[in-house]
Amino acid sequence: GDSVTQMEGPVTLSEEAFLTINCTYTATGYPSLFWYVQYPGEGLQLLLKATKADDKGSNKGFEATYRKETTSFHLEKGSVQVSDSAVYFCALTPGGGADGLTFGKGTHLIIQP
Amino acid sequence: EAEVAQSPRYKITEKSQAVAFWCDPISGHATLYWYRQILGQGPELLVQFQDESVVDDSQLPKDRFSAERLKGVDSTLKIQPAELGDSAMYLCASSSATTSEETQYFGPGTRLLVL
Repeated sequence: GDSVTQMEGPVTLSEEAFLTINCTYTATGYPSLFWYVQYPGEGLQLLLKATKADDKGSNKGFEATYRKETTSFHLEKGSVQVSDSAVYFCALTPGGGADGLTFGKGTHLIIQP
Repeated sequence: EAEVAQSPRYKITEKSQAVAFWCDPISGHATLYWYRQILGQGPELLVQFQDESVVDDSQLPKDRFSAERLKGVDSTLKIQPAELGDSAMYLCASSSATTSEETQYFGPGTRLLVL
């Protein structure tokens, strides 16, 4: 079945550092790819998404590019802030319908001032 | 801004008891999902509704879990009897989707502790 693998956390960075959170997937067909974020005490929120190969999703300074050749969707941000501290989940849907999401285990990001 | 509502936010119960969780999706959203998130893991889909019909319940432990969405609006997820391993966060999400490209909006979740 479909699966998502993302780097283990916690990831601890200093403010203004460059961020990469790796995500790779296994899926048949042409999945849609997502990054969700969960801030402390809040529900899951969509951060960005990409629906076909080579698409780049972006939001709030975060970016991720759908790489079909490497089956990856790595999350990047050039300069992180303390307010970016949260748990980040990479996820996919198989495509072709309103399917449920398959999530990775999540990466806890801690940004220190 | 419209939100997905869930209640209760927290529930403590003893094993073998029955529990129920309620979800009210964003108005007009035809698709509703229930997920279970065990501590330290990502959410896993339990059941998906399109209007009042079940689209996917392949991961729902049907011997003890049931879900309904009788009028195609709000939904109830029930566990009877609860087991220790059911302790988790139960998340509800909704979307207006007819394709998987549509955003799923999540509620705050119900945290269940089974003693």
